[in-house]
Amino acid sequence: ELKVEQNPLFLSMQEGKNYTIYCNYSTTSDRLYWYRQDPGKSLESLFVLLSNGAVKQEGRLMASLDTKARLSTLHITAAVHDLSATYFCAVDVTSGTYKYIFGTGTRLKVLA
Amino acid sequence: DTAVSQTPKYLVTQMGNDKSIKCEQNLGHDTMYWYKQDSKKFLKIMFSYNNKELIINETVPNRFSPKSPDKAHLNLHINSLELGDSAVYFCASSPGTGGYGYTFGSGTRLTVV
Repeated sequence: ELKVEQNPLFLSMQEGKNYTIYCNYSTTSDRLYWYRQDPGKSLESLFVLLSNGAVKQEGRLMASLDTKARLSTLHITAAVHDLSATYFCAVDVTSGTYKYIFGTGTRLKVLA
Repeated sequence: DTAVSQTPKYLVTQMGNDKSIKCEQNLGHDTMYWYKQDSKKFLKIMFSYNNKELIINETVPNRFSPKSPDKAHLNLHINSLELGDSAVYFCASSPGTGGYGYTFGSGTRLTVV
């Protein structure tokens, strides 16, 4: 069974610090997505990674994909309170059906 | 101008009742989905339709029945609601081809009492 695991599940960090969230998956895929969810809200698309070695950056967040290692990372640089949210990775296991399997989520809390 | 809209946003109902959740997208996407998010925030796919055709039907109780009258709408009907059905249900859509990610609706928080 396909597994998508995120590490850590919970992360509490100080403003200004750097940290990385890891997303490991157990099947072959070269497409992976990152989403953000604020409490009680919907999921917002952050990054679309479509090939091995893909790197995308937006503000203080940078995502990368290593399809050979079946690993994606979401790096946070100089965290600010506004980044507090739950972050999900989703692996595209499309084989004609456009099906994504979501990771367990990482709940990030940035302390002022 | 909401891209993927769900109604209702909140739904509180008693065990045994039947309820429906509606979803509409104005993005012109070919594929629509229902996902369930449980109390631990875990997201699990339930159903997917492509141009009104059911293409994904995960292991979901028969009490759940999706219906897509056209490619812009996907509804979810739940019969004989149980306590364990309490969750947030998200509708999402994507273009027919892969690699674009989903656009999610705002979610429907279902509470069965």
